[in-house]
Parts: sequence; C-alpha cells; structure tokens
Amino acid sequence: QKEVEQNSGPLSVPEGAIASLNCTYSDRVSQSFFWYRQYSGKSPELIMSIYSNGDKEDGRFTAQLNKASQYVSLLIRDSQPSDSATYLCAVPTGGFKTIFGAGTRLFVKA
Amino acid sequence: GAGVSQSPSNKVTEKGKDVELRCDPISGHTALYWYRQRLGQGLEFLIYFQGNSAPDKSGLPSDRFSAERTGESVSTLTIQRTQQEDSAVYLCASSLVGGGTNEQFFGPGTRLTVL
Repeated sequence: QKEVEQNSGPLSVPEGAIASLNCTYSDRVSQSFFWYRQYSGKSPELIMSIYSNGDKEDGRFTAQLNKASQYVSLLIRDSQPSDSATYLCAVPTGGFKTIFGAGTRLFVKA
Repeated sequence: GAGVSQSPSNKVTEKGKDVELRCDPISGHTALYWYRQRLGQGLEFLIYFQGNSAPDKSGLPSDRFSAERTGESVSTLTIQRTQQEDSAVYLCASSLVGGGTNEQFFGPGTRLTVL
C-alpha cells in the first residue's frame, strides 16, 4: 500500500513567522511532488510542484525535496493569516493515481 | 472554460436513490480525475480518464459507482442505490495530459448528502 504521511496538526504560528510543513512518502519510484492548499469548504488549489532534489522557491513558498529520505517539505515565509488552511501533499504513483496525504492544518495568528 | 466546473454544487438525496454528478474539465485537458473527500479527511482517488477511456478504475468503492466520459469533455459519476456512507464532497480535477505527474486543477466539488 503506497502511502503519503503528513502531521495532521494543527500547526500554529504567529504572523510573520516561517511555517514548516512536512510530508513523507513510501513509493521510491515517485518522481514528482505537489503541494495543494485547501481552504475550509473549498477545493484544493495547486501552489507548488517539485521534481528534483533540492529547493524550489516561488514567492513566499519554498518546496524542498529529498528523494533519498523520501521526504518533501513546504516552507511558508512571512506567514499571513490568509495562509491559514489545510495543506495537502500529493505524490503520483508510477501509474495514473495520485496519492494525497490527509493534510496539515495551519493556523497563522495575527 | 476558465476552470473546471461541477454540477450540482449540492445534492441532498434519500437513501436508495440514484444520483448523477457532472464535471466539465478545462478545455483542452485530456485527463480527468474523480476524488471523494469525506468530512475532515483527505482525498480518496476514485477513477481516472485519459480521453474517454478509463485505464484506472481501481478506486471505485463498489459496483454501485460508475463513471463515463464523452471524448475529452464532460464526465459523469453515477452512484446507484445511495447509502449514507456515500455522503461526501466529490471533486473532479483535470490535467493537460495524462499520468499522475501532471498538475491537476480542481473543480469546486459537489457536496452529496444522503439522508
């Protein structure tokens, strides 16, 4: 059974701090990794994708990938209350299916 | 269209009735996915379409669930003889090309409540 694991949280950080969200996956052949943001009552929205080991930065978001450790993370710098949401890690398997983690709830306190 | 659309946005039905959920993907997207999300849970993969064929139906929970797609356009997910455990948000996503390595864009979902 291929799995994607995330801490369910909630993760609470003060406004302006760095929020660090972590994800581990079991399928060693996975080559691409995605982070989605889901506000309460809304559908998931893609915010980052990463395919190579190392860091990928996009504005206040940085995705980090370590395939040897089967670990992917998302850092949110200068966290804002509007960042409060559930963050889903998504890992495609070798076929057509994408496995989503259960998500980490993030609260950014003003 | 500008994004993935789904209808209805909400559906309340009685146990034992059939329901049909519709998804209209982003124009030009060849791949289409259906997911189920129960309250407070993650996304559960149901089925994937490449064009109008479904190479992966492994996620369909039971034979009460079926789906079809017309060409590279609209898809319908049908649930027969609904049960209370079918209550969830049903999400549709599309991607430009097939295979899980591609970015998926989600519709707003259909919230199904089975009484």
